[in-house]
Amino acid sequence: SQKIEQNSEALNIQEGKTATLTCNYTNYSPAYLQWYRQDPGRGPVFLLLIRENEKEKRKERLKVTFDTTLKQSLFHITASQPADSATYLCALTLGGSQGNLIFGKGTKLSVKP
Amino acid sequence: DARVTQTPRHKVTEMGQEVTMRCQPILGHNTVFWYRQTMMQGLELLAYFRNRAPLDDSGMPKDRFSAEMPDATLATLKIQPSEPRDSAVYFCASGLVLGSGGHTVYNEQFFGPGTRLTVL
Repeated sequence: SQKIEQNSEALNIQEGKTATLTCNYTNYSPAYLQWYRQDPGRGPVFLLLIRENEKEKRKERLKVTFDTTLKQSLFHITASQPADSATYLCALTLGGSQGNLIFGKGTKLSVKP
Repeated sequence: DARVTQTPRHKVTEMGQEVTMRCQPILGHNTVFWYRQTMMQGLELLAYFRNRAPLDDSGMPKDRFSAEMPDATLATLKIQPSEPRDSAVYFCASGLVLGSGGHTVYNEQFFGPGTRLTVL
């Protein structure tokens, strides 16, 4: 069956450390993989997009990797801050689709000062 | 600052009543999506439109849900009759999808603030 799994429902880390979130998928062939951030009571906000032929993308303190052999994406936040506390969602866009996203259930990140 | 807007932000209604949710996508975006979010299921796609044409609504119960896009500035999601299991947060998102087939370029989606629906 097809599924997207994010490694854990919750991740607690200390301020200043690197947070690493995992997204694994099964029986999908995504053309794109995206990461979104969602704060309580708000809609998801786009962070990064990586294409199937890309290995890594960076944006400021964020880095995402995409391994289509392992069917896995890793999302890193370096020098984490309490303001990074939120739920992070990975989402797949399938090739040939109309751009609709298939979401994982998210990982709730808490960064403690 | 362009953003997706949704109304109402909150809706409490009784079972059997009709509910209509509205969305104004970002001007210039050609694709509009409706998602539903619950604790159990996470974010699920209900329906989407490209250039106002419905592309897929297989994610929603056909007998009670309907989605329309009467013009480029308005998308609606209607539930009639509503049931307690419809209680969730409903998000509208818009985006720009360019090209077609193997030359399709997908871009990020911009989400609205959501409509929190409670059906008693």
